[in-house]
Amino acid sequence: AQKITQTQPGMFVQEKEAVTLDCTYDTSDPSYGLFWYKQPSSGEMIFLIYQGSYDQQNATEGRYSLNFQKARKSANLVISASQLGDSAMYFCAMREGDAGNQFYFGTGTSLTVIP
Amino acid sequence: ETGVTQSPTHLIKTRGQQVTLRCSSQSGHNTVSWYQQALGQGPQFIFQYYREEENGRGNFPPRFSGLQFPNYSSELNVNALELDDSALYLCASSLRDIEEGSGNTIYFGEGSWLTVV
Repeated sequence: AQKITQTQPGMFVQEKEAVTLDCTYDTSDPSYGLFWYKQPSSGEMIFLIYQGSYDQQNATEGRYSLNFQKARKSANLVISASQLGDSAMYFCAMREGDAGNQFYFGTGTSLTVIP
Repeated sequence: ETGVTQSPTHLIKTRGQQVTLRCSSQSGHNTVSWYQQALGQGPQFIFQYYREEENGRGNFPPRFSGLQFPNYSSELNVNALELDDSALYLCASSLRDIEEGSGNTIYFGEGSWLTVV
């Protein structure tokens, strides 16, 4: 079974609108972390937001928020007030336990912001 | 700027050759991991080094090997290159405290684009 599933290969959003990128995960480890990264065409992975499995509240970082539904094993990324510079690939990733930098990544979602 | 630099940024190799990719971690970071990202795919974990010792390995054959040096810089070596090794190779570094667990600030470099012909 896939550890991380991103079912939206491509998404379009109007500038200034909000968009939700879906992510579901699969793990039997009670302790895990969920991450979202942005990857522009240059290749660098840019950290956006982190949610720990024991965190009671949904994580927020500026225009990014993570809709964490533990029972459904979903960790959707919400980008509010989209900007043209948000156009990029977005990856959901999971780290199980204390695994350092060992992530499982999804296949990504390509987001295009339309002026 | 993440403070993680990788070299070279682009290279072309012939099938059967060997390649060494380098990663300079952010100062003080003791954990480095390497990922392979094929075109249109998410990154796949190759291996991780913590304080110069391999500390986890993904589903990659032994011809993928690595080193971490005392200054925490790192190398990824791939022997007997195959066409399917063509990918973006990413290095990620962080400061990991065994007692406190893993940090959540993990920095990636911009990657090395490898083409095998």
